[in-house]
Amino acid sequence: QSVLTQPPSVSGAPGQRVTISCTGSSSNIGAGYDVHWYQQLPGTAPKLLIYGNSNRPSGVPDRFSGSKSGTSASLAITGLQAEDEADYYCQSYDSSLSGSNVVFGGGTKLTVL
Amino acid sequence: EVQLVESGGVVVQPGGSLRLSCAASGFTFDDYTMHWVRQAPGKGLEWVSLISWDGGSTYYADSVKGRFTISRDNSKNSLYLQMNSLRTEDTALYYCAKDGGLTGHFDYWGQGTLVTVSS
Repeated sequence: QSVLTQPPSVSGAPGQRVTISCTGSSSNIGAGYDVHWYQQLPGTAPKLLIYGNSNRPSGVPDRFSGSKSGTSASLAITGLQAEDEADYYCQSYDSSLSGSNVVFGGGTKLTVL
Repeated sequence: EVQLVESGGVVVQPGGSLRLSCAASGFTFDDYTMHWVRQAPGKGLEWVSLISWDGGSTYYADSVKGRFTISRDNSKNSLYLQMNSLRTEDTALYYCAKDGGLTGHFDYWGQGTLVTVSS
């Protein structure tokens, strides 16, 4: 059971817009900790997609955007392309856990129909 | 270009020990906190441990606390994970990851090294 909750799967047709939610609580996202998003293509290492809730690293297309509100965050992908088919993970910190605890969502598999 | 190259993953019996290494290049290694993150086969990402830039602070996930030890050698641009009392549930691909700074994200990841705990 992950501290951050993501839908196991989402799907969309090429060109469409999809969103992936990341739901937390008052001890992580709701406490003000930033949310970050990673894309993991099949058989590869995760890649940073969005950091600090809504910032894109250099090289990430502006089709990808992030937002945060209250105890939740969302990743939006517009103009869906076949190469976007991957697993997506949100990440934050949680103050209820001992030590300095990084927490991930359980991951969402995006299927491009 | 930032590069993180993990090594040391093998098949080991339950109760055994293993040391993973991560060789870093392309950035000023001793300026950054570093992390280990693992991914069990077919599962999601699980943060394992972090170490501050100077090695003075270390933190662990509860699942590995008391069994794993993270360390670094800044003179060798290298990160390590000593894994003792291994369990079958420690089977995973282990990634080293560079901390991105103030916001606490991971901006670069290695390709991972596979640890299999099996009798």
